[in-house]
Order: sequence, then structure tokens, then C-alpha cells
Amino acid sequence: KAGVTQTPRYLIKTRGQQVTLSCSPISGHRSVSWYQQTPGQGLQFLFEYFSETQRNKGNFPGRFSGRQFSNSRSEMNVSTLELGDSALYLCASSLGRGSNYGYTFGSGTRLTVV
Amino acid sequence: QQQVKQSPQSLIVQKGGIPIINCAYENTAFDYFPWYQQFPGKGPALLIAIRPDVSEKKEGRFTISFNKSAKQFSLHIMDSQPGDSATYFCAASIGSYNTDKLIFGTGTRLQVFP
Repeated sequence: KAGVTQTPRYLIKTRGQQVTLSCSPISGHRSVSWYQQTPGQGLQFLFEYFSETQRNKGNFPGRFSGRQFSNSRSEMNVSTLELGDSALYLCASSLGRGSNYGYTFGSGTRLTVV
Repeated sequence: QQQVKQSPQSLIVQKGGIPIINCAYENTAFDYFPWYQQFPGKGPALLIAIRPDVSEKKEGRFTISFNKSAKQFSLHIMDSQPGDSATYFCAASIGSYNTDKLIFGTGTRLQVFP
């Protein structure tokens, strides 16, 4: 059974650019959440999508956005990149909403902003 | 109120030792407490989880102890092995059925020497 697939694995972007990261959840999983991981702030919740709708959002500026497609695949976009956006971006999928279903994380996309 | 405080930041034990990682929370609405294990270059993987109505849960060599009155929970790793060397995160969430937001602790880097 394939796990959560995130592409690309590594990305280098310049300040001011925008970036799109992709996440393919485990087959059958309908919920996709995104987290940012940095050495200073740790793991922080970005947003959660279920049935193509954003259900929950963390405390991040509007430059961070996302969407979910009908096949449950998700993308997140960061516009006007800042140096502080350098981080590991993790996607987690779940069968349904709520902790009862458990979360499976992908290996992440390492974004470096220069 | 939404924070989960984790200690220690790092831990070094010898093979066969029993490392203990502690977490504390303030928000009594939290109702799900998982522990995640993360190896370098990988996303966090669910290790074991507990709910507030249970004081202890064991899965293999991993045990969670939960103290509801003290609002604390801890992870014990029995007979630790070098392969257990990883970063461990505690987490908490509210709403087992309608939210997908995990609040993570800051992580504990465990090193197990042969």
C-alpha cells in the first residue's frame, strides 16, 4: 500500500517568488492536513482539507493557501516567499476527520528560500 | 492554553536503558494524546496514542503513562535499542470526530548508544 507522497522532495526558491507543493494521500484517505516544521517553531498546523473544503486553518498569513481536488490530492501554495518560509512542509492524510482515524505523514518537501 | 510542553530537549541513554519523555498541557479540552517518532529525512510516524479515560497504554516496548489530574503524560521506552535513536514528539488534539489539528510538543532527540 503506497504511503503519502509529497513532491518535490527538495526545492530552492528566491525571495518574492511563489511555490506550489503537492501531496497525494493514501488511497481512500479523504482528509489532508499540512504542517510546517522548522527548528525554531517545531511542527505547526497550516490547514486541513476534507471533501475539497478547507475545514481548519492555523495561524499563518494569507500568503499560505491550499486546495484539495476531487481525488483528494492536495496542493499548498506560498506566495511572495520570505526567508523565514524555509522549512520542511509535511502533509498528513487520514481516512476521515478526527483523531480516531489516525494520521499518516509523508516525508515532506524541504523548501529553501534564498 | 493551546501549548504542549515537552521535556527534555535531548536524551542520551545506553542500550537497554529506559528513556522517559514528559509532556504537559493546560487545555483540559484535549482528548487525544499521540506520540510520534521521526527519523532524519522522514515525516513523523505515529507510535502510540492514549485518551484521557485511560491511565496507561502499552504497545510493545512503548508505554504511555497519563495523569489527568496533573495534566501530564509521558512516554517510556523499555529495553531501548540503537534503532530507537530518533526525535520523539508528543501531541494533543481536541475533538475526536470533527477536527484534524494536532498541537505538537517541541520534540526530544533521543540517542541510544550500544
